[in-house]
Amino acid sequence: QLQLQESGPGLVKPSETLSLTCTVSGGSISSSSYYWGWIRQPPGKGLEWIGSIYYSGSTYYNPSLKSRVTISVDTSKNQFSLKLSSVTAADTAVYYCARHARDGYLPGGFNWFDPWGQGTLVTVSS
Amino acid sequence: DIQMTQSPSSLSASVGDRVTITCQASQDISNYLNWYQQKPGKAPKLLIYDASNLETGVPSRFSGSGSGTDFTFTISSLQPEDIATYYCQQYDNLPTFGGGTKVEIK
Repeated sequence: QLQLQESGPGLVKPSETLSLTCTVSGGSISSSSYYWGWIRQPPGKGLEWIGSIYYSGSTYYNPSLKSRVTISVDTSKNQFSLKLSSVTAADTAVYYCARHARDGYLPGGFNWFDPWGQGTLVTVSS
Repeated sequence: DIQMTQSPSSLSASVGDRVTITCQASQDISNYLNWYQQKPGKAPKLLIYDASNLETGVPSRFSGSGSGTDFTFTISSLQPEDIATYYCQQYDNLPTFGGGTKVEIK
């Protein structure tokens, strides 16, 4: 059974860089059928897709965050990572990683997110 | 960006009631829509994909329909364990989510 687990600091100072890692177990991150994505949820609010990466390293980012986001993959460790720079209080959220289905026949090339990690709360505060 | 508008933002219904949630896309997205359930303090879970296909293991009281810009998610008989927030998600382009609908028991 595929499982994902987020890890990283729970507290980040304003203007610094948020760094999280997602470890995939029970399956290979190098599958040709999937991307691997990051989604966040501010406290009491809805879901926002941050970006997704293919095992080859190709990435897609939310245009609203693109200038600050870097997603990378380490296939040897079965992990992918998120870096979000110049954070502010508005970046305080639960950050989830998820498997992101790939479908080359679809206009966007993507489909559903499943499964998801349990999520990790990152607070931006001095 | 394709905007997804969900309504209502919250609802309260009795056990056994039929519950309907709508999701409207800002442009035609064919049937490129998924529905998720998020219970309090938990990660979202995929319930329905491609607008109307039930994910394996999901109870048959959940259903989805629609195409183009207008979509509907239905719980045919609300159960106490269905208390959650439900989100739609389009994948016609870069993925975006609806604002969510919080379902409570009356």
